[in-house]
Amino acid sequence: EPEVTQTPSHQVTQMGQEVILRCVPISNHLYFYWYRQILGQKVEFLVSFYNNEISEKSEIFDDQFSVERPDGSNFTLKIRSTKLEDSAMYFCASSETRDGYTFGSGTRLTVV
Amino acid sequence: AQTVTQSQPEMSVQEAETVTLSCTYDTSESDYYLFWYKQPPSRQMILVIRQEAYKQQNATENRFSVNFQKAAKSFSLKISDSQLGDAAMYFCAYSATQGGSEKLVFGKGTKLTVNP
Repeated sequence: EPEVTQTPSHQVTQMGQEVILRCVPISNHLYFYWYRQILGQKVEFLVSFYNNEISEKSEIFDDQFSVERPDGSNFTLKIRSTKLEDSAMYFCASSETRDGYTFGSGTRLTVV
Repeated sequence: AQTVTQSQPEMSVQEAETVTLSCTYDTSESDYYLFWYKQPPSRQMILVIRQEAYKQQNATENRFSVNFQKAAKSFSLKISDSQLGDAAMYFCAYSATQGGSEKLVFGKGTKLTVNP
């Protein structure tokens, strides 16, 4: 069964450093998303991406965040200058239509 | 804005028994999708079941079924013959269909414990 692949599974970074989280969505999917989940809390929407541009973003997705689909297969989330409060599980998801989201297994980001 | 509410932070059930997890939502849309996701300790998000709002028939997937009450904006999940592997966080989620936002809106989750 097709799956969404995320790398790395766990990343530790120092505060102020830039991180790039990587995702390979399912190949025929058209919609791409990033969500985050701070430990013990609910899953929060960050950004959606369709037709090579951001279609929606939340108030969490400020100027420190950016997304790219550089080569038609990868979908990346960059955090420019990480803060302690960016520590969370980050999930990539993709969908062909609005009723079929598939999530990756997540990247656990720890900012120290 | 759409919201999803799960009023039970924690639930427990005996193995082989049945448990129902509650979810209510708020939307002004007439057509939308509702989902239940399972998140085991590995923290992966696994789709359990989905329901299209325009379908009156409640969705079922093996031991999992929903009670969808559109007028009451209620979407509960029933797990029959509970198994130890069902222990996890369960999240209810909503997404619009045509137009509007395609993002998933999640509830805060219900932690399900299955006792042997």
